[in-house]
Amino acid sequence: GAVVSQHPSWVICKSGTSVKIECRSLDFQATTMFWYRQFPKQSLMLMATSNEGSKATYEQGVEKDKFLINHASLTLSTLTVTSAHPEDSSFYICSARDEGPHQPQHFGDGTRLSIL
Amino acid sequence: AQSVTQLGSHVSVSEGALVLLRCNYSSSVPPYLFWYVQYPNQGLQLLLKYTSAATLVKGINGFEAEFKKSETSFHLTKPSAHMSDAAEYFCAVSLYNFNKFYFGSGTKLNVKP
Repeated sequence: GAVVSQHPSWVICKSGTSVKIECRSLDFQATTMFWYRQFPKQSLMLMATSNEGSKATYEQGVEKDKFLINHASLTLSTLTVTSAHPEDSSFYICSARDEGPHQPQHFGDGTRLSIL
Repeated sequence: AQSVTQLGSHVSVSEGALVLLRCNYSSSVPPYLFWYVQYPNQGLQLLLKYTSAATLVKGINGFEAEFKKSETSFHLTKPSAHMSDAAEYFCAVSLYNFNKFYFGSGTKLNVKP
């Protein structure tokens, strides 16, 4: 149980385009989902916390207008990188929590984003 | 404030040898602690978690970790390393609501034949 699916796994696009990444909880409902960014050989950096039906909470230093997050249902959150530039190239990982006490975050397999 | 320190960015062991990956935390409240494993180009998989029950926690793939409050540590161990254990391991601390995770910088485990 507790499977999180992330799509696409790899995307290459031109500078200036927008890219949407989907994160789905397949066998549980996730009131809260999380978006992380991971630079090569580094740890995960929390970008934002996504709450179903409300605005996302962004971490300090993360541009809200650059990284648009939508959590329209209990099983789907999307991250849109708008007007992407080469410096946005990174590995993006989402996670989701099941309801109830002591439930850990379950992670998707990540999306490798390369901006040319 | 919460933080996690993983000593040793790279650890190398021989197949069959003991694996010890170190994690120390700081937390202003009783912490919940986790170990995750990441294989190349993949997300994180939960190995085990400590949630204030037994201090010795057993996880998947033969891993276990012991919560030591006096040492503020949560080291990950496995008695006998397998080649398939080669991966990057992350320690994380969370508060009571599990919404905010603080990750360590990761330890890359290399297993030599």
